[in-house]
Amino acid sequence: SQKIEQNSEALNIQEGKTATLTCNYTNYSPAYLQWYRQDPGRGPVFLLLIRENEKEKRKERLKVTFDTTLKQSLFHITASQPADSATYLCALDALGTGNQFYFGTGTSLTVIP
Amino acid sequence: DAGITQSPRHKVTETGTPVTLRCHQTENHRYMYWYRQDPGHGLRLIHYSYGVKDTDKGEVSDGYSVSRSKTEDFLLTLESATSSQTSVYFCAISDRVSQPQHFGDGTRLSIL
Repeated sequence: SQKIEQNSEALNIQEGKTATLTCNYTNYSPAYLQWYRQDPGRGPVFLLLIRENEKEKRKERLKVTFDTTLKQSLFHITASQPADSATYLCALDALGTGNQFYFGTGTSLTVIP
Repeated sequence: DAGITQSPRHKVTETGTPVTLRCHQTENHRYMYWYRQDPGHGLRLIHYSYGVKDTDKGEVSDGYSVSRSKTEDFLLTLESATSSQTSVYFCAISDRVSQPQHFGDGTRLSIL
């Protein structure tokens, strides 16, 4: 069956360090992979999209990598700040399913001042 | 923020009653989605729409129906609510296939 796995444990890091979140998937061949941020009581907010033919994408302090051989995406937040504390979700556009996105369960990140 | 409004924001109802959730957008986006979010499962797609009167099932569509009579409104109906449908429901929109989705702030639905 199709499956997406994110860091199962909550991630706590010190302010100023780099946070690295993982998204692993099986039985997919996604054309796109997206990362979202979700704060308590709010809907997810889009952060970055990376295509299967792109190895890396950056936006300010955020960086996403996409390795279709390993079936893995890494999401990095450099120079982390307490305001980065949130749950981060990865989502796959499974090739061949049209508009359907599959989401991981998310990783809760806490940046400690 | 994208103009998406979900209503109601909170609802408590009893098993067996019909429930309708509304998603309203002001962005004129073609695609609209309904998800449910539960602990341990993440976001799961219930139904989506790719145009007025054009809808399709998602991963967890049993027990739900949808309608889209206007571009801006997408309704999710639970014909006879069950306790297993207690969840947080999110609506999302996008203007093109596989492009970023913009989410509403959710409806917290409790079925007793």
